[in-house]
Amino acid sequence: EVQLVESGGGLVQPGRSLRLSCAASGFTFDDYVMHWVRQAPGKGLEWVSGISWNSGSIGYADSVKGRFTISRDNAKNSLNLQMNSLRAEDTALYYCAKGGTTWGDSSGLDYWGQGTLVTVSS
Amino acid sequence: SYELTQPPSVSVSPGQTASITCSGDKLGDKYACWYQQKPGQSPVVVIFQDSKRPSGIPERFSGSNSGNTATLTISGTQAMDEADYYCQAWGSSTAVVFGGGTKLTVL
Repeated sequence: EVQLVESGGGLVQPGRSLRLSCAASGFTFDDYVMHWVRQAPGKGLEWVSGISWNSGSIGYADSVKGRFTISRDNAKNSLNLQMNSLRAEDTALYYCAKGGTTWGDSSGLDYWGQGTLVTVSS
Repeated sequence: SYELTQPPSVSVSPGQTASITCSGDKLGDKYACWYQQKPGQSPVVVIFQDSKRPSGIPERFSGSNSGNTATLTISGTQAMDEADYYCQAWGSSTAVVFGGGTKLTVL
């Protein structure tokens, strides 16, 4: 059974940093593209970042480019998101999601975690 | 940056057909996916690669994509289909894009 478990969320002051993690199990982690998607309270889904199986392809939404860094540790089946210079508008539930085997493929995000809540407020 | 546009809401009577559209520049040249999200739950993919259904998704869900518009069609809509629906595509070689979401009401 595929499982994605996010952790690391919490309350943080504007301008500070936070690191999210996603523990993956139930599939061959290093075969797949992985993504972070967020959802602000009462709002829609916003893709944040994605990373290919070997970290050779990485993408970011314009809203987080230069502030957030995605990484993965295939030996530990772990996906990470380093979030710096946090803003109030980064407040959201952050989901870890499994993509396809190829960067840019059409298979969609077929498994999602339950999310970890990040609140940016003074 | 690439944008996908969905109607904020769609209403349908039980047993009827619901259609939710997603518009984007030359969207038909890309592949579209659709996600269902019920309150308090994580999204679930219901259509990928324009028209394919993952295992476990009922046959009443179908999709198409041509020109500038992708469409999610739910035939014989049931009360359990009431949810938010999001389209998604790769807007460029480095970015995934979601539509703004459509709230489907079954009444």
